[in-house]
Amino acid sequence: GDSVTQMEGPVTLSEEAFLTINCTYTATGYPSLFWYVQYPGEGLQLLLKATKADDKGSNKGFEATYRKETTSFHLEKGSVQVSDSAVYFCALSVDAGGTSYGKLTFGQGTILTVHP
Amino acid sequence: GAVVSQHPSWVICKSGTSVKIECRSLDFQATTMFWYRQFPKQSLMLMATSNEGSKATYEQGVEKDKFLINHASLTLSTLTVTSAHPEDSSFYICSARGRLPGGYNEQFFGPGTRLTVL
Repeated sequence: GDSVTQMEGPVTLSEEAFLTINCTYTATGYPSLFWYVQYPGEGLQLLLKATKADDKGSNKGFEATYRKETTSFHLEKGSVQVSDSAVYFCALSVDAGGTSYGKLTFGQGTILTVHP
Repeated sequence: GAVVSQHPSWVICKSGTSVKIECRSLDFQATTMFWYRQFPKQSLMLMATSNEGSKATYEQGVEKDKFLINHASLTLSTLTVTSAHPEDSSFYICSARGRLPGGYNEQFFGPGTRLTVL
């Protein structure tokens, strides 16, 4: 079956540090890949996505590149801010033509805390 | 983006009672809603998919008589945990999808409901 594995947290960084959260996946089909972010007390929000190999998704300074050869979709940001403190989820979908419309398979989430 | 709400945000109940959780799409019509369950430090696990006006489709291992899902309108789905027991304590999250103006058709998530069964 399909699965997503994220690096375990929590991750604690100082403001302006470089962030990497690793994500690898296994899928029976050709998946679309997503990163979601959940701020305290709020629902999951789509942060970025990529629908085919070598695509790079980006938003709010975050980036992730769809690497089919390594089945990975690592999330990166060059300079984190305190406001980036949240839980980050990697996810995939194999039946939605590039949208998050279909069933999503999630990783376990990574808690990020950024200190001033 | 579109807004999905859940009510209540947290609930504590006694073992053996039933609890109803509501999921509403506030500014769009949700043709499909998903219900997820999340244990501490674990992933969101899809429980069921419900389409408006039809029976929910449950994932393998999810008891449909235990977790009753109703999607009677295009803006409301409910999850009822029947005869709740302490092992049902968890964080329940809904999401909704539907066609928005401009053809935007992503999945939008509610903030979740924390259920504690004593």
